[in-house]
Amino acid sequence: GENVEQHPSTLSVQEGDSAVIKCTYSDSASNYFPWYKQELGKGPQLIIDIRSNVGEKKDQRIAVTLNKTAKHFSLHITETQPEDSAVYFCAADGGGFKTIFGAGTRLFVKA
Amino acid sequence: NAGVMQNPRHLVRRRGQEARLRCSPMKGHSHVYWYRQLPEEGLKFMVYLQKENIIDESGMPKERFSAEFPKEGPSILRIQQVVRGDSAAYFCASSPRASGQETQYFGPGTRLLVL
Repeated sequence: GENVEQHPSTLSVQEGDSAVIKCTYSDSASNYFPWYKQELGKGPQLIIDIRSNVGEKKDQRIAVTLNKTAKHFSLHITETQPEDSAVYFCAADGGGFKTIFGAGTRLFVKA
Repeated sequence: NAGVMQNPRHLVRRRGQEARLRCSPMKGHSHVYWYRQLPEEGLKFMVYLQKENIIDESGMPKERFSAEFPKEGPSILRIQQVVRGDSAAYFCASSPRASGQETQYFGPGTRLLVL
């Protein structure tokens, strides 16, 4: 079945720096790749997604890139702020109705 | 437009008791997914339901766990004879259409603690 690997598990950056989180997936049939942000005590919230017919998508300080050949996709956050501190999950559609999540990256933005 | 609602937010049970977790999807959504999240881990798919139907329960343990989504009312995830290993956060998500390529909207979760 589909497997999604996510790195790093923890990331600490200085406020204003960029943060990059990388994911790989195993099922070449996957076409939808959402990213979720989970703050402490809350449910995951979608922050950006990308579909396989697009190589890059940007929304203000957040961008996602997708390389279908290599089966990896990345989240880029520029000009990080303390409120960006959270756990970030990548995901991929796993066939049928399933969404397969990575293990998460805990991002710390130091003021 | 209210988001996905889950209750209770926190639930404490003793070993052997039953736990009932409720989820009301977003208005207009008829597709519900349940996930389990252990501490410091990602979300693991448990079950996908449409109104009155279980579509995919491949991630749900065969014993003690069951789920339903009746015609009226919330979706229920039921855990019988809970054990300490059931302690986790349980999240419900909903979507307007049936597909793994649809955005899923998550509720705040129910944190179950089994003593």
